[in-house]
Amino acid sequence: EPEVTQTPSHQVTQMGQEVILRCVPISNHLYFYWYRQILGQKVEFLVSFYNNEISEKSEIFDDQFSVERPDGSNFTLKIRSTKLEDSAMYFCASTWGTSDSIQYFGPGTRLTVT
Amino acid sequence: AQSVTQLDSHVSVSEGTPVLLRCNYSSSYSPSLFWYVQHPNKGLQLLLKYTSAATLVKGINGFEAEFKKSETSFHLTKPSAHMSDAAEYFCVACMDTGRRALTFGSGTRLQVQP
Repeated sequence: EPEVTQTPSHQVTQMGQEVILRCVPISNHLYFYWYRQILGQKVEFLVSFYNNEISEKSEIFDDQFSVERPDGSNFTLKIRSTKLEDSAMYFCASTWGTSDSIQYFGPGTRLTVT
Repeated sequence: AQSVTQLDSHVSVSEGTPVLLRCNYSSSYSPSLFWYVQHPNKGLQLLLKYTSAATLVKGINGFEAEFKKSETSFHLTKPSAHMSDAAEYFCVACMDTGRRALTFGSGTRLQVQP
């Protein structure tokens, strides 16, 4: 069964450094998402991406965040200058269509900012 | 504003006994509702979804959920718990406004005692 994959599984970085989290969505899917879960808190929506542009973003997704689909398979989340409070589990998801279609999630990348 | 509330952060049951995980939602619109499960070090896996076709929804692994509009609830049940059901369960909503961002509950950790 096709699945969403994410790399790396765990990333440790120093405050102020740039990180790129990578995701490979399911191949025929058209919509892509990033969510994050800070330890002990709810999973929060960050951004959705369709047709090579951001279709929706939350207030969390500020100028230090960016997303890109650099080729036909990868979907990346870049954090330009990491802060301690960016430490979280980051989940990528994808879906093929309509608003109630199932979002398929990857296993997550645990980002630790020291 | 939309929100999802999971009423119990932890639920402990004995193997073979029924499971009830409670979820209430708040929304001005008709939501699509989902239950996802997360096993340790795994991604979020869809258990079931409600999209207004039928109020009682059957999912994988013997789980089912009933949508009750009058109570704004979408509780998850299973007649007989199995040790492998031990995991974190998330009640999730997608509000039918054309937005695709999912709104998560805070999660319920299910413990199954032998």
